[in-house]
Amino acid sequence: SQQGEEDPQALSIQEGENATMNCSYKTSINNLQWYRQNSGRGLVHLILIRSNEREKHSGRLRVTLDTSKKSSSLLITASRAADTASYFCATGANSKLTFGKGITLSVRP
Amino acid sequence: DAGVIQSPRHEVTEMGQEVTLRCKPISGHDYLFWYRQTMMRGLELLIYFNNNVPIDDSGMPEDRFSAKMPNASFSTLKIQPSEPRDSAVYFCASSFWDRQETQYFGPGTRLLVL
Repeated sequence: SQQGEEDPQALSIQEGENATMNCSYKTSINNLQWYRQNSGRGLVHLILIRSNEREKHSGRLRVTLDTSKKSSSLLITASRAADTASYFCATGANSKLTFGKGITLSVRP
Repeated sequence: DAGVIQSPRHEVTEMGQEVTLRCKPISGHDYLFWYRQTMMRGLELLIYFNNNVPIDDSGMPEDRFSAKMPNASFSTLKIQPSEPRDSAVYFCASSFWDRQETQYFGPGTRLLVL
């Protein structure tokens, strides 16, 4: 069963704009992770935030976590055409990850 | 390191045939996961191993599916007999369960059962 629910399901932006993606979940977690999947490829880990953290940065990525609202957001700043991909949030608990259905991000050149 | 290796990359078979998917995890990783991805159901965890021992197979759809990990560098997922509804992309992932808990995915096997 899906734990994470991403929002929106699809997002189309112009190159240079920021992209914000949201994820909500239902049960207690140890951590929340974001992954990217390019068409026809495997998933690639982007960033992990632990349940006791509120915000984390990695390059152009910023992730926030609000455990009281059971939600997270991923911000990609200054988007590039190469950021076009599907993005998944995954909640970690009991040694395994549960993935949402993903958000399709299209960045127009 | 070459990353997680999966074979074959594509498999087309007829209903009723046996299908075997293979995975070589990253050397030193002690967790191995098998996932299935479809448009309808997204990414589903089928089974995972720790130190070659199956820990949780609750995601395995039915008895037609079986998975083994005979050693730390090799795992198989077998479907026998295969059905058209098994058509999906099957991913293997591995991790070293330190504080990072990050999973590294293989390129996947795209299975089509006719």
